[in-house]
Amino acid sequence: AQSVTQLDSQVPVFEEAPVELRCNYSSSVSVYLFWYVQYPNQGLQLLLKYLSGSTLVKGINGFEAEFNKSQTSFHLRKPSVHISDTAEYFCAVTANTGNQFYFGTGTSLTVIP
Amino acid sequence: GAGVSQTPSNKVTEKGKYVELRCDPISGHTALYWYRQSLGQGPEFLIYFQGTGAADDSGLPNDRFFAVRPEGSVSTLKIQRTERGDSAVYLCASSLIPGNYNEQFFGPGTRLTVL
Repeated sequence: AQSVTQLDSQVPVFEEAPVELRCNYSSSVSVYLFWYVQYPNQGLQLLLKYLSGSTLVKGINGFEAEFNKSQTSFHLRKPSVHISDTAEYFCAVTANTGNQFYFGTGTSLTVIP
Repeated sequence: GAGVSQTPSNKVTEKGKYVELRCDPISGHTALYWYRQSLGQGPEFLIYFQGTGAADDSGLPNDRFFAVRPEGSVSTLKIQRTERGDSAVYLCASSLIPGNYNEQFFGPGTRLTVL
């Protein structure tokens, strides 16, 4: 089975500052990795995903993530955050031959004006 | 077009009762997932449908939980003899074609409270 660890439960950051949300995973097989965002009172929405190829993945709203196999990490970054980025962010992993998705516990990003 | 919808949005029931939670996926989406999200946790996989059949139900916690998708579109998650520990937000997601590399589109969830 796979697992995901999001070490930071809450991340406050000032508007226009950079942010990194950390995600580490555990798996004995090759995986696909995802970041989802959940805005208040809305369903989860896909930000970006890594399947194969380039380790730097770009997503919506200016977010990007880098897959690091040796460190088993898939950290999410944005160079300059906006108030509208305030939301809950979830990292998820699935075996590339599996059906089950394993989500982390989420990181609450709060952008401070 | 319409997204994934779930009804009811909130359900309060008493311990021991039976509940049904409904999911309407995006039209034409063949894959459908159910998740449970407890307070302060990420979504926890319950079951995955390809068409009408449950391709993977290994996440269902026990035999009180059952899900169906008889016509390959709408799905119902059924919980028998509810317990207080079943209280959570139940999420449904669909994707256009089977395959875990595809984007899942999530519904807003049903908040279940078992008193």
